[in-house]
Amino acid sequence: QQPVQSPQAVILREGEDAVINCSSSKALYSVHWYRQKHGEAPVFLMILLKGGEQKGHEKISASFNEKKQQSSLYLTASQLSYSGTYFCGTEKSNFGNEKLTFGTGTRLTIIP
Amino acid sequence: DTGVSQDPRHKITKRGQNVTFRCDPISEHNRLYWYRQTLGQGPEFLTYFQNEAQLEKSRLLSDRFSAERPKGSFSTLEIQRTEQGDSAMYLCASSLVVSSGGDGYTFGSGTRLTVV
Repeated sequence: QQPVQSPQAVILREGEDAVINCSSSKALYSVHWYRQKHGEAPVFLMILLKGGEQKGHEKISASFNEKKQQSSLYLTASQLSYSGTYFCGTEKSNFGNEKLTFGTGTRLTIIP
Repeated sequence: DTGVSQDPRHKITKRGQNVTFRCDPISEHNRLYWYRQTLGQGPEFLTYFQNEAQLEKSRLLSDRFSAERPKGSFSTLEIQRTEQGDSAMYLCASSLVVSSGGDGYTFGSGTRLTVV
């Protein structure tokens, strides 16, 4: 079953913050986050594992609440280059190493 | 390594024809995945391989779709008797999975299929 992302779309001014949520009805082993720019392939941002810590690099970080089967992606002081569609990919099972099921996507537009 | 390569980038075919796509993954990666993406949607799982073994095929996939990964290197995805509903971007991705877990996927640029 496909994870649900919210919001579906968001428009921000450069420098503002954004939070993108990903919810699943299944118990999860891991959550991946990807960004896809128009006409390009998705690009891997980070992976969060069951029992792991919140991850981040630069101004993009994410958390994973295993009990709620939810993950959130945080974009701080957004830059124009952050524009694109963000997808979460979830891996269910207790063992990991399964395929990902991708979410519905969140379109982020950053304006100057 | 130049990343994941897919060929062709674009394919226009007439309904009823067969098409075959190729994917060359990152050489160190042991997993290879095929996904399909339509406009405004997230990638939809089709099938995946670990080395040369096909581990799972989507139940949504009809028998017209088949994939191979001979010798655990490149992979091909064939669609027989194409239908207009097959029009989509076909994405290939690879990753390295070890006993301690997996890493993120590296996607190729995709093959855009248009069935007319």
